[in-house]
Amino acid sequence: GAVVSQHPSRVICKSGTSVKIECRSLDFQATTMFWYRQFPKQSLMLMATSNEGSKATYEQGVEKDKFLINHASLTLSTLTVTSAHPEDSSFYICSASLVLPPNEQFFGPGTRLTVL
Amino acid sequence: QQQVKQSPQSLIVQKGGISIINCAYENTAFDYFPWYQQFPGKGPALLIAIRPDVSEKKEGRFTISFNKSAKQFSLHIMDSQPGDSATYFCAASMGSGTYKYIFGTGTRLKVLA
Repeated sequence: GAVVSQHPSRVICKSGTSVKIECRSLDFQATTMFWYRQFPKQSLMLMATSNEGSKATYEQGVEKDKFLINHASLTLSTLTVTSAHPEDSSFYICSASLVLPPNEQFFGPGTRLTVL
Repeated sequence: QQQVKQSPQSLIVQKGGISIINCAYENTAFDYFPWYQQFPGKGPALLIAIRPDVSEKKEGRFTISFNKSAKQFSLHIMDSQPGDSATYFCAASMGSGTYKYIFGTGTRLKVLA
């Protein structure tokens, strides 16, 4: 149980295009979903926290107009990287949190974004 | 005060040995401390987690030791195996608000066959 999926697993796009990444909780309803970014050999950096039906809360330094987050249902959150540039190339990981216990996060397999 | 300091950055252990990774925190409001294992190109997977009301938790070969007064916690991997070679992250979160995690910087473990 507590499986989180992400789609796509890899995406390559041209500079200036937008890319959408989906995060789904497959067998549970997630009150909260989190989006992280991870550079090679570095730790996970939290980008934003989203709750179903409300606006995402972005961490300091994360551009909300560039990284659009939509949490349309208790099982689906999407991250759209708008007007992507090479510096946006990274590993994007989502996680989902159960209602109880509220602390535990289940992570997706990640999405490798490469912007040419 | 929101940082979680993790050490060592990298660790090499012989097969069958004990791997020990340490983390320290400042914020006493943290009340949930998980450890995650991550293989290259994959998302993190929860190994084991502890709350401050216990000093030790064991699951199979993995043990968390927790020292509330010192604000430190550690992961012990007994009988380390080559398949344990991965990056390990500690984290801390608070039991209120968004429950977001503060991650440590990670430890790259290599277990030699």
